[in-house]
Amino acid sequence: AQSVTQLDSHVSVSEGTPVLLRCNYSSSYSPSLFWYVQHPNKGLQLLLKYTSAATLVKGINGFEAEFKKSETSFHLTKPSAHMSDAAEYFCVVTQEGNQFYFGTGTSLTVIP
Amino acid sequence: GAGVSQTPSNKVTEKGKYVELRCDPISGHTALYWYRQSLGQGPEFLIYFQGTGAADDSGLPNDRFFAVRPEGSVSTLKIQRTERGDSAVYLCASSLTWTRSDGYTFGSGTRLTVV
Repeated sequence: AQSVTQLDSHVSVSEGTPVLLRCNYSSSYSPSLFWYVQHPNKGLQLLLKYTSAATLVKGINGFEAEFKKSETSFHLTKPSAHMSDAAEYFCVVTQEGNQFYFGTGTSLTVIP
Repeated sequence: GAGVSQTPSNKVTEKGKYVELRCDPISGHTALYWYRQSLGQGPEFLIYFQGTGAADDSGLPNDRFFAVRPEGSVSTLKIQRTERGDSAVYLCASSLTWTRSDGYTFGSGTRLTVV
């Protein structure tokens, strides 16, 4: 069985400070992991993906995530938050088959 | 087209009515997926097409839901005898292949409200 747990439903940071959005996954085999962002009334946009290559993955808009098998984690980080980063973020795992399993999402607020 | 297009963007229907939701995937993408996102939740898988055939429809909640992709491009999600619990955003996504390492490209969704 596969699943993801996003540990924080809401995260609030000040503009210019680091962002950390936490994700733990459950998977029987080597998973593929993704982070998607959803701005209000917009479609889901792929930020980055891990597919068994380098464990530190760089994505768009300065985001990156590190796959840690020993901790079954795939946390999303960014060194300096921007106002435009305010959105809903989803951690996603897939394994066998083609279903993507989404977490419940983390709402990121950026305070000016 | 440049992205995944879903129409309509919003649909309000009365309980018991039939609705169709349309998805135009990116040209050349062979895999097409339907997801449903309820308020405050992450998207949940409904059905996946590889070409014209439904490769996995295990996420369809019941037999009121049906989807087709007759020519391997445009797909239509059909809901019969709609219920208030069907209210959600229905998302369509496509990918170039069925390989699980591909990320999907999502459309903006159809917001369905059943009153």
